[in-house]
Amino acid sequence: GESVGLHLPTLSVQEGDNSIINCAYSNSASDYFIWYKQESGKGPQFIIDIRSNMDKRQGQRVTVLLNKTVKHLSLQIAATQPGDSAVYFCAENMEGNTGGFKTIFGAGTRLFVKA
Amino acid sequence: EAQVTQNPRYLITVTGKKLTVTCSQNMNHEYMSWYRQDPGLGLRQIYYSMNVEVTDKGDVPEGYKVSRKEKRNFPLILESPSPNQTSLYFCASSYRGRQPEKLFFGSGTQLSVL
Repeated sequence: GESVGLHLPTLSVQEGDNSIINCAYSNSASDYFIWYKQESGKGPQFIIDIRSNMDKRQGQRVTVLLNKTVKHLSLQIAATQPGDSAVYFCAENMEGNTGGFKTIFGAGTRLFVKA
Repeated sequence: EAQVTQNPRYLITVTGKKLTVTCSQNMNHEYMSWYRQDPGLGLRQIYYSMNVEVTDKGDVPEGYKVSRKEKRNFPLILESPSPNQTSLYFCASSYRGRQPEKLFFGSGTQLSVL
């Protein structure tokens, strides 16, 4: 899972296996959640999102699960490929002070895919 | 091509020398935001803007200024940079200002303050 600190949590999986990356978010008022993928030397890229009125959403090879009771989010990647190697961030969105929204990111999980 | 463009990509400066990092998006997005990324800490929001002339503080605004005079541009200003502002900075944009949606990120600006 994700945590704040100097060293990123790491997940190592065999190519072809499924990956599960976990995230605990902080604010019960957050109503929109996103997973981003960041490859080395690049900015984060959107993977999948989910709103608080859902508990599961599927994309291509990815599934996001939301458990609001325990404030937990997970990203499942099916048939993990070498190109999935990256750092994965969860993000929660909540209302800001002047009507906009703030985004709070988790510290990230580094996924290594072994060939 | 739809994109968020940051400049410069790399910047080395000295303590106290004012600098500006530019950010521009060509997607007509209302929302723009700046983040800094430090090892093991994820991305932390510095400032955001819901639309032209509307800005608000994120979680780590101290030592930074922003302005949003045009919809496409959102520069980040460091009036008097200090070594603790050495970091990787990302600009991002999103379609609607008041409803959260996915963010589109620039490629980042690596800043070193000596």
